[in-house]
Amino acid sequence: GAGVSQSPRYKVTKRGQDVALRCDPISGHVSLYWYRQALGQGPEFLTYFNYEAQQDKSGLPNDRFSAERPEGSISTLTIQRTEQRDSAMYRCASSLTASGGLGKTQYFGPGTRLLVL
Amino acid sequence: GENVEQHPSTLSVQEGDSAVIKCTYSDSASNYFPWYKQELGKRPQLIIDIRSNVGEKKDQRIAVTLNKTAKHFSLHITETQPEDSAVYFCAASPTSYGKLTFGQGTILTVHP
Repeated sequence: GAGVSQSPRYKVTKRGQDVALRCDPISGHVSLYWYRQALGQGPEFLTYFNYEAQQDKSGLPNDRFSAERPEGSISTLTIQRTEQRDSAMYRCASSLTASGGLGKTQYFGPGTRLLVL
Repeated sequence: GENVEQHPSTLSVQEGDSAVIKCTYSDSASNYFPWYKQELGKRPQLIIDIRSNVGEKKDQRIAVTLNKTAKHFSLHITETQPEDSAVYFCAASPTSYGKLTFGQGTILTVHP
């Protein structure tokens, strides 16, 4: 079946603009995660959803970052008033469940490469 | 919060040799430890994982060991091949849900 998809794949924006990044998880996956990955580094947790509920947003860097998953499927990560330091690869991942067993495996999307000029 | 340390940062081996990558974690509540392989320009792909109720798991040329007491786990790749060349990330996750904390990554190069 189809894997996790993200759009756009590349986004170039000017400092101060708002951007919205979309994640389409694997169908039926309950849990959805957003990570940020700097070049040469491991993914860094941003936020997590269980169905439509945002369970943990402790990794969001500041209040310019927000995320939603209104119907428990597609999620949007929004960055307001972008700054150059926001430039990174933004990845989402989904898993069948969150709490245990084989369903905990996270499958990553291809990412959105964000460049803020 | 959880902190995961990964060593070495780079590893160079000859084809056919074994490769070992080690990680330590800090949070005793962590009970799920996946390993991801990331090729250049690609997404991270799960290659093997282990849960805290087992000490070792094997899948063909890949094995992972876990020492809960010492809070460390290792990835072992035997009979390495050039296509094993990639960046490998370890990660740890707590019991309650799937938030992953990743190590810094190991660049593995397998020379033909």
